[in-house]
Amino acid sequence: KQEVTQIPAALSVPEGENLVLNCSFTDSAIYNLQWFRQDPGKGLTSLLLIQSSQREQTSGRLNASLDKSSGRSTLYIAASQPGDSATYLCAVHTGGFKTIFGAGTRLFVKA
Amino acid sequence: EAGVTQSPTHLIKTRGQQATLRCSPISGHTSVYWYQQALGLGLQFLLWYDEGEERNRGNFPPRFSGRQFPNYSSELNVNALELEDSALYLCASSWGTGLGAYEQYFGPGTRLTVT
Repeated sequence: KQEVTQIPAALSVPEGENLVLNCSFTDSAIYNLQWFRQDPGKGLTSLLLIQSSQREQTSGRLNASLDKSSGRSTLYIAASQPGDSATYLCAVHTGGFKTIFGAGTRLFVKA
Repeated sequence: EAGVTQSPTHLIKTRGQQATLRCSPISGHTSVYWYQQALGLGLQFLLWYDEGEERNRGNFPPRFSGRQFPNYSSELNVNALELEDSALYLCASSWGTGLGAYEQYFGPGTRLTVT
């Protein structure tokens, strides 16, 4: 059974800091992994999608890596800003097209 | 291009009643997914529809059901509502499925409150 864990559960950093969010999964047989952000009470905004054959994806200040063999993905945020404050979720898409979400990392960037 | 839309934004029902939630996918997307996000429980996969058929469902009782229409919009029905059904229900769509499955785009959600 696929399980997705995100560490840390919460993170508070000063503005400008570079930070890393971690996501681990127990079954390496995934189709892809997707990172999202969610603002309180809102839907999800897709940040990056990494196919199972890829090692990383970049979008602006965000970089996500994927190591299927070790069951890990990291989301790197460069030069954090107060507007980055949100909950960050990783999700793995598996066979039968079930999507398993982690519980998320709540990020707070202080001005 | 319009994103995924959901209606209503908020829905208040009484225990035992039925709730109907609606979702319109992004134009060109054929797959629709439903998720439940209850307080403290994280996002749970509910249902996946593709080309009008239910393709998979999560660990939810049969009173959670739905359908997908020929225009690919979808409806989620929750019968015999229970207090613990109170949650944010999110809909997502994608234009591909299976191997090399494609990116899911989410709607803003419907907040269901059961009293």
